[in-house]
Amino acid sequence: SQTIHQWPATLVQPVGSPLSLECTVEGTSNPNLYWYRQAAGRGLQLLFYSVGIGQISSEVPQNLSASRPQDRQFILSSKKLLLSDSGFYLCAWTPLDGVEAFFGQGTRLTVV
Amino acid sequence: AQSVTQLDSQVPVFEEAPVELRCNYSSSVSVYLFWYVQYPNQGLQLLLKYLSGSTLVKGINGFEAEFNKSQTSFHLRKPSVHISDTAEYFCAVTEGGAGSYQLTFGKGTKLSVIP
Repeated sequence: SQTIHQWPATLVQPVGSPLSLECTVEGTSNPNLYWYRQAAGRGLQLLFYSVGIGQISSEVPQNLSASRPQDRQFILSSKKLLLSDSGFYLCAWTPLDGVEAFFGQGTRLTVV
Repeated sequence: AQSVTQLDSQVPVFEEAPVELRCNYSSSVSVYLFWYVQYPNQGLQLLLKYLSGSTLVKGINGFEAEFNKSQTSFHLRKPSVHISDTAEYFCAVTEGGAGSYQLTFGKGTKLSVIP
């Protein structure tokens, strides 16, 4: 069966520090991968998605970047965090030929 | 462009009472519709989905939803709620077609079940 792992679960980082959140999917090949951010009262916002290794599409301009170095690995990064980067970050995947999205457990990021 | 509106940000309901969480969407093409549930500090879990076929869709935990194309709605219902249903519920839409399926979410509805 397929599983998705996302870590860390919680993170407290000072303003200006770097960020690296990792997500891996097991039990499937060629998944579409996604990073969402959930801010209080604002629902979920799609940040990045990827349809293959090295292929990244950005939905909103921001202080973050994403990379996909391997087929089932998706990384969210920042060189210098801002206070506004605080939120709950969710990784998700959809099958190559499917529409249902499966989500990781999320990372609670607090920038102080 | 697609969008989703969840009209109620919070819905309190007494235990064993029925509940309806409303969702309206806009899209210029055919869509796939989803309801997800999120418990505190956890990821999203799929409750049910509409892809095609019968407009009445049954999901997990006794929830169901009805797709109404003319009203562009996909309301979620449960005839009798339990304390364990207390959570936030998100309606989402994605457009049909090949390639990456990007979900557009509503802002969520917090369901509070009162004992």
